[in-house]
Amino acid sequence: EAQVTQNPRYLITVTGKKLTVTCSQNMNHEYMSWYRQDPGLGLRQIYYSMNVEVTDKGDVPEGYKVSRKEKRNFPLILESPSPNQTSLYFCASSSPGQGAFFGQGTRLTVV
Amino acid sequence: SQKIEQNSEALNIQEGKTATLTCNYTNYSPAYLQWYRQDPGRGPVFLLLIRENEKEKRKERLKVTFDTTLKQSLFHITASQPADSATYLCALRGWGKFQFGAGTQVVVTP
Repeated sequence: EAQVTQNPRYLITVTGKKLTVTCSQNMNHEYMSWYRQDPGLGLRQIYYSMNVEVTDKGDVPEGYKVSRKEKRNFPLILESPSPNQTSLYFCASSSPGQGAFFGQGTRLTVV
Repeated sequence: SQKIEQNSEALNIQEGKTATLTCNYTNYSPAYLQWYRQDPGRGPVFLLLIRENEKEKRKERLKVTFDTTLKQSLFHITASQPADSATYLCALRGWGKFQFGAGTQVVVTP
């Protein structure tokens, strides 16, 4: 089954404690990206990757890091989380000119 | 800056009627535009993609139009059903980035 898998689904952490949200896709898609979704602000792109070892900033990259060492994986790293990073996060993948597949979402709370 | 606008007010519609949603954009020259459906707490689900050289695209009860002169796309749900109640998002890609509109909530009542 074609899917994008994110882990964990829910995470509560404390300010400053490094965390990683994993994302994996099984469709051999070149393009992968991370979004955060906040009430009233919609989906905003954090980082994207057009292929292995190629990553670039989206609209809200501050406080986040990513890497793309393999085609199927695109982890999101928060080196020092802060409460303003409390949000619902989505990973997505797609091929050029095609619709995107989204993961189930990760609800992150930073206290 | 690039901007995508969708009606922020919820669209309340009676079952069986046609729902029409609007997506307007500025400072884009998109090769294509996408529409997604999102249910609360879940990831968006891709519905339709329409390319710049296509005026209209259909999929079952869904129809999308794309006017690159007006910089507008219209999304229609015909013969709407309560199960169509969700938020619908339009999306554009520019310079590698994807940008989504804030979405329009559709509520279909029996």
